[in-house]
Amino acid sequence: QKEVEQNSGPLSVPEGAIASLNCTYSDRGSQSFFWYRQYSGKSPELIMSIYSNGDKEDGRFTAQLNKASQYVSLLIRDSQPSDSATYLCAVNRDGNNRLAFGKGNQVVVIP
Amino acid sequence: GAGVSQSPSNKVTEKGKDVELRCDPISGHTALYWYRQSLGQGLEFLIYFQGNSAPDKSGLPSDRFSAERTGGSVSTLTIQRTQQEDSAVYLCASGDNRGETQYFGPGTRLLVL
Repeated sequence: QKEVEQNSGPLSVPEGAIASLNCTYSDRGSQSFFWYRQYSGKSPELIMSIYSNGDKEDGRFTAQLNKASQYVSLLIRDSQPSDSATYLCAVNRDGNNRLAFGKGNQVVVIP
Repeated sequence: GAGVSQSPSNKVTEKGKDVELRCDPISGHTALYWYRQSLGQGLEFLIYFQGNSAPDKSGLPSDRFSAERTGGSVSTLTIQRTQQEDSAVYLCASGDNRGETQYFGPGTRLLVL
């Protein structure tokens, strides 16, 4: 099993809809979780971090963490064409500061 | 303030040549990371520096890869005897002394012919 898995293929959502992205991780000792956005040809940009079980909201973004089930998700409300990008899930294991990244989920927001 | 900078932005080299990639972290950041991203793939951890501690080299794929960080600031990633499979985007990130939040540079796109 890979450390961080993002299994869904490209996600197409109409403008204004909710985009939902899921990520699972294998190391139960993981402590910190991050979502990065990466536009084509650009470097990853941090959009959300979450450390405790539950929801964390920041503008149109909500991160959800469930450590018992070892998954973290990202919701994008009122999706905009500018949200079209690849979203990378990253996990920091045991505080050693090495981030393990998933392969990413491509989101396409259709006007 | 200034973000993480990397140079060169693009590098084309011939198989067997050595290349050096440079990273200037955000001023004051003690943590510095190198990652590699191949086409359509996620980020692959290469090496991590934190302050004056010995670097975590566990992600380096072979002994052709090495990195150093001089004076706790600028870092250089060196790839010796490049191979075509080394072609990728090499990303540098820096973070504060907790190191958890990482800020990425624009990357160096390496193409080995």
